[in-house]
Amino acid sequence: ETGVTQTPRHLVMGMTNKKSLKCEQHLGHNAMYWYKQSAKKPLELMFVYSLEERVENNSVPSRFSPECPNSSHLFLHLHTLQPEDSALYLCASSQDRGQGGETQYFGPGTRLLVL
Amino acid sequence: KDQVFQPSTVASSEGAVVEIFCNHSVSNAYNFFWYLHFPGCAPRLLVKGSKPSQQGRYNMTYERFSSSLLILQVREADAAVYYCASCGGGKLIFGQGTELSVKP
Repeated sequence: ETGVTQTPRHLVMGMTNKKSLKCEQHLGHNAMYWYKQSAKKPLELMFVYSLEERVENNSVPSRFSPECPNSSHLFLHLHTLQPEDSALYLCASSQDRGQGGETQYFGPGTRLLVL
Repeated sequence: KDQVFQPSTVASSEGAVVEIFCNHSVSNAYNFFWYLHFPGCAPRLLVKGSKPSQQGRYNMTYERFSSSLLILQVREADAAVYYCASCGGGKLIFGQGTELSVKP
């Protein structure tokens, strides 16, 4: 148990559906992250939030829409996804978004399948 | 381009010392992070730093652009994916992960 929870753990959706992934951290951290992990590829950083403000968006398509209502919660809203978006989506948090490489604590991920 | 490189698979036998190598081309990076990921579980930090360090059975070697994770007395239960990451520009750049298999 790392103190970072994600729901749902598994999700199957059609290309016309709208769904949301939820992440919650119980560590009192100020920074939260969304990563995408496709098979045999590195973890790809999607979004970074620091103190509820989006500080990084790594050229992610607009069909992925993040939301950070407070420092403990992070959402990823999904709409009109493509089959190639099927992947494991990992949330992480860190104390701060420092330049020296803060340790990030990960949730267990949501396994997404887009049909 | 900022990238981290590591082998896709490593095979070992129980009781051996396993080495997983990693190198990077990340600008201004000086830290390495090694994470362990069992399928269905949260990736967990094993060891990190900008110098050689040890946490239990896990040793990390350090050079400016490369690091190795050494797992001592490897067990079947250590079979998992091991991620190497380096920090550049305030963000972690991950490798593709190394899948470790362990024969009894």
